[in-house]
Amino acid sequence: QKEVEQDPGPLSVPEGAIVSLNCTYSNSAFQYFMWYRQYSRKGPELLMYTYSSGNKEDGRFTAQVDKSSKYISLFIRDSQPSDSATYLCAISLSNFGNEKLTFGTGTRLTIIP
Amino acid sequence: NAGVTQTPKFQVLKTGQSMTLQCAQDMNHEYMSWYRQDPGMGLRLIHYSVGAGITDQGEVPNGYNVSRSTTEDFPLRLLSAAPSQTSVYFCASSSPRGGQGDTQYFGPGTRLTVL
Repeated sequence: QKEVEQDPGPLSVPEGAIVSLNCTYSNSAFQYFMWYRQYSRKGPELLMYTYSSGNKEDGRFTAQVDKSSKYISLFIRDSQPSDSATYLCAISLSNFGNEKLTFGTGTRLTIIP
Repeated sequence: NAGVTQTPKFQVLKTGQSMTLQCAQDMNHEYMSWYRQDPGMGLRLIHYSVGAGITDQGEVPNGYNVSRSTTEDFPLRLLSAAPSQTSVYFCASSSPRGGQGDTQYFGPGTRLTVL
C-alpha cells in the first residue's frame, strides 16, 4: 500500500466551478500536510500548508484535513484558467524543513474558459 | 535571490555515459535534496543532505552519487546512465529551523533522456 494515494485525474472543469482535490494516507504518524502546485515544465511550488484537522483558508483556496479518516482535500473556489496545473499533496512527520516529504502522484487539473 | 537553480534544463545521454546535474541555492539553506519525477510515480527522493559534508540516501538512490562540499551546491552524478534514469530531476532546498511555512523550495528541473 502506498503511503499516499492521489487520484491522478485528469480533471477538467469549467471556469468558475468549485474544484475538489483529494488524497488519502495510510500512516497516522503523519502530522503535516501540504499542497503543491506545479505548472507545466516547472518545479512544484508550495500552495497550502496545514498541520491540524479542520480547514485552512487562503483566498480562493481551502485545505481540509481529517486525521481520523486520514483524508486531505484542497478546494478551489471560483476556479480560473490560471489554476490549470498539476496539484500534488505531500505529507511529513514533522514541520522541520529537513523532514522528508512523501508526495502523492499529482492530479492534473484543467480549467476550461 | 535567484532561489534554487538547476543546469542543464535538458540533456540527452547515451546508455553508459556519465554526467553531473548541477544544483545551487542562494538562500543559505542547510537542507538540500534531489527528486525524480516520473509519470504515475510522483516525486521520489533520490539523495539528500542536511549540511556541507553530510549526505544520505533517499528512496531511490541506486545509480546516483552526490556530494556536498559547500552549503550552496549539491550536484547529482550519474556514473553510467541507463534508460531507466530517463526522468525529470528536481533539486530542492529548505531551512531546518522549522515553523509553519518552512518547507522545500524546488528548482525548475532538468529533463534527462537516456537512449
